[in-house]
Amino acid sequence: SAVISQKPSRDICQRGTSLTIQCQVDSQVTMMFWYRQQPGQSLTLIATANQGSEATYESGFVIDKFPISRPNLTFSTLTVSNMSPEDSSIYLCSVKGQGVNSPLHFGNGTRLTVT
Amino acid sequence: GENVEQHPSTLSVQEGDSAVIKCTYSDSASNYFPWYKQELGKRPQLIIDIRSNVGEKKDQRIAVTLNKTAKHFSLHITETQPEDSAVYFCAASQGNKLVFGAGTILRVKS
Repeated sequence: SAVISQKPSRDICQRGTSLTIQCQVDSQVTMMFWYRQQPGQSLTLIATANQGSEATYESGFVIDKFPISRPNLTFSTLTVSNMSPEDSSIYLCSVKGQGVNSPLHFGNGTRLTVT
Repeated sequence: GENVEQHPSTLSVQEGDSAVIKCTYSDSASNYFPWYKQELGKRPQLIIDIRSNVGEKKDQRIAVTLNKTAKHFSLHITETQPEDSAVYFCAASQGNKLVFGAGTILRVKS
């Protein structure tokens, strides 16, 4: 499966600031997604990162709060904007390879704490 | 949209015993059902998956069963070992988006 590199692995940020998380994959993948995992909770899809166009956001998530870029097939960024303590979570990049039956794999995640 | 319910939320078993985790889904169009294992502080890792054209799949000590009529699927772990202790998530999808269950904390007592 693809090697997914996500950085930073963790950060502590002050409220009101923004953090950009990077995701790099070592091979071309068809789909890239961003998930959020709040403490002790399950995985919630934030958006699908579309190459060269605006991301597709899930209900409850908006572009102004979570702008996403995907300039090519192997790289994407997620920004958490104007952070509040409620944004403290693990943010996970995930990818789906080429092929209809390709499974979804996750990066190691970014553990964000907002103070 | 799809909704996935997972039970139990916590499961404790004695080493060597079997563990069963059950999930139900709401969208009859869902056709792909993976299971992920997440150890503390680590990323979720795919351990087994099943597609809707198959009723059962096995990989060593792990098996998954699917009942499309009842819209439920289960993870079976036999001969549990301490290293099986983790959080397990089921998921369902039709297409590319996975919807996850709430997770099951599995504790294997030695």
